[in-house]
Amino acid sequence: ETGVTQSPTHLIKTRGQQVTLRCSSQSGHNTVSWYQQALGQGPQFIFQYYREEENGRGNFPPRFSGLQFPNYSSELNVNALELDDSALYLCASSQPGWLANEQYFGPGTRLTVT
Amino acid sequence: DQQVKQNSPSLSVQEGRISILNCDYTNSMFDYFLWYKKYPAEGPTFLISISSIKDKNEDGRFTVFLNKSAKHLSLHIVPSQPGDSAVYFCAASASTGNQFYFGTGTSLTVIP
Repeated sequence: ETGVTQSPTHLIKTRGQQVTLRCSSQSGHNTVSWYQQALGQGPQFIFQYYREEENGRGNFPPRFSGLQFPNYSSELNVNALELDDSALYLCASSQPGWLANEQYFGPGTRLTVT
Repeated sequence: DQQVKQNSPSLSVQEGRISILNCDYTNSMFDYFLWYKKYPAEGPTFLISISSIKDKNEDGRFTVFLNKSAKHLSLHIVPSQPGDSAVYFCAASASTGNQFYFGTGTSLTVIP
């Protein structure tokens, strides 16, 4: 059973550019949540995808968008990058009828915006 | 608006002693609380949880206490081991939603 994987591990982008981050969920998990963890902060909920539909969103602007694919893998897209978008981006997958303790996190993608 | 707060950024304890990590929250709608542990270059891993119908939950060396009136929870680790050295996050949610709110974390160092 493979765990949650994320790619790339590190990324450097310039302000104004667009970025796509990827997440492969754990086998059997159909729900994926994305979090942003800025330096010195805790993870902040961006949104969740369940069966390819957005299923809840935190306080993030529309330039943060996502997709979930039939195999339950997911992408996080960020347009018009700003310096404050520099952070560790975490995804977590879970099974149907999930409880938080059944959320499995990936190692994250470190995004630096210059 | 930080709804979950961990006011101690770091904590050092001797091996074998008790580690106490604290967490405060402001939203009275929160009814489910968790602690996660995070090592460098890894994602957070679930440690222990507690629902608001309880005031204590124990799992081996780890015990979480919840004081609803004070909107405060704490994680006790007894005895502390060097492998417990990590960043610990508390998180909270309301059963009416699917969003989890995390604190800023406490870095625990257990000294051998």
